[in-house]
Amino acid sequence: QVQLQQWGAGLLKPSETLSLTCAVSGGSFNGYHWTWIRQPPGKGLEWIGEIHLSGGTNYNPSLKSRVTISVVTSKNQFSLNLTSVTAADTAVYYCARGRVATHWGQGTLVTVSS
Amino acid sequence: EIVLTQSPEFQSVTPKEKVTITCRASQSIGSNLHWYQQKPDQSPKVLIKYASQSISGVPSRFRGSGSGTDFTLTINSLEAEDAATYYCHQSSSLGTFGGGTKVEIK
Repeated sequence: QVQLQQWGAGLLKPSETLSLTCAVSGGSFNGYHWTWIRQPPGKGLEWIGEIHLSGGTNYNPSLKSRVTISVVTSKNQFSLNLTSVTAADTAVYYCARGRVATHWGQGTLVTVSS
Repeated sequence: EIVLTQSPEFQSVTPKEKVTITCRASQSIGSNLHWYQQKPDQSPKVLIKYASQSISGVPSRFRGSGSGTDFTLTINSLEAEDAATYYCHQSSSLGTFGGGTKVEIK
């Protein structure tokens, strides 16, 4: 079955760049939107953005100036970069498949602290 | 940006009781509304897609309804394992989530 495995640095200092990667296995990589979502500790879900191999990218307007989502098709992977992080970016970050997020990664806690 | 307002924020329910959670969109989103369940320390899990479409493997007691701006998730005959936080999510214009509804078992 479809599995999403994600990884990346878990501790960052303010002003650094958050980088996470999500690898997809067990299913087709083509034909889907690939999405990043985050959840601050004890709070709700926030949609970050999505990428589609044929349709480009869409981002949350509140993060758009700092976010880049990219894809490496040959590896069935997609990535999230978030620049100039602050404590407000501390959250569990999830990767997911589809505009309807039917499959999710395990989540990565990213803490921003000096 | 489309804002989703969920209510109630918290509900304490006895087993076998019926639970109703509502989600109101700030503008019409057609049927592009989905529901998720999240248990502590777990990734969310989709329950209902496109307002009322069932998901394979999800118990039939979870039902979704609505269109336009008003949507409802109904849990018929609540079970102890349904204790969780529930979120609505719209995919009509970019993406946004509702604030969540925590369901506790009495």
